[in-house]
Amino acid sequence: EVQLVQSGGGLVRPGGSLRLSCVASGFTFSPYEMNWVRQPPGKGLEWVSYISGGGHTIYYADSVKGRFIISRDNAKNSLFLQMNSLRAEDTAVYYCARFVSGVELDYWGQGTLVTVSS
Amino acid sequence: QSVLTQPTSASGTPGQRVSISCSGSSSSIGSKYVNWYQQLPGTAPKLLMYKNNQRPSGVPDRFSGFKSGTSASLAISGLRSEDEADYYCAAWDDSLSGVLFGGGTKLTVL
Repeated sequence: EVQLVQSGGGLVRPGGSLRLSCVASGFTFSPYEMNWVRQPPGKGLEWVSYISGGGHTIYYADSVKGRFIISRDNAKNSLFLQMNSLRAEDTAVYYCARFVSGVELDYWGQGTLVTVSS
Repeated sequence: QSVLTQPTSASGTPGQRVSISCSGSSSSIGSKYVNWYQQLPGTAPKLLMYKNNQRPSGVPDRFSGFKSGTSASLAISGLRSEDEADYYCAAWDDSLSGVLFGGGTKLTVL
């Protein structure tokens, strides 16, 4: 069974940092592209970042470019999102999601809440 | 800035057929596959339809997807109370170099 289990959310002050993790199981992790998607409270989905299977191709939404860093450790079946210089508008539930054929996000993590507040 | 436009809400009674539209551009829907996600209250999104009209295993055939030009739609026939959820269309967007989501449609089963 494919599973994506997330950890690392919490409360952080503006300007602070947080690192999210997503551990995959039930499939061979390394060939799959992965994404982070977020959802502010009561709002819609917003794509955050993409990483290729080997980690060599990376994209970011303009809203997080220069502040967030996506990475992966294929030996540990893990995906990460390092979030720096956090702002109130980064408050959201963050989801990791597997990307298939460059088309669909077929499996999602359970989500982790990040709250940026003083 | 690329945008996928969905109605904010839709509704129907049990047994009815409802349709949710999604309008985009040539750089998104016009040249890429459209996917649909269902998000039940308090849960993570779930892939409902991929590559315009393909249902993942386990999704009932009451759900169908369509795409024409720069627009797409999701149809739900034989509406059931458990279909009450938020529905999002999405497509890869070359100008964004990322996944573009519609604003979401809240479906209410009356």
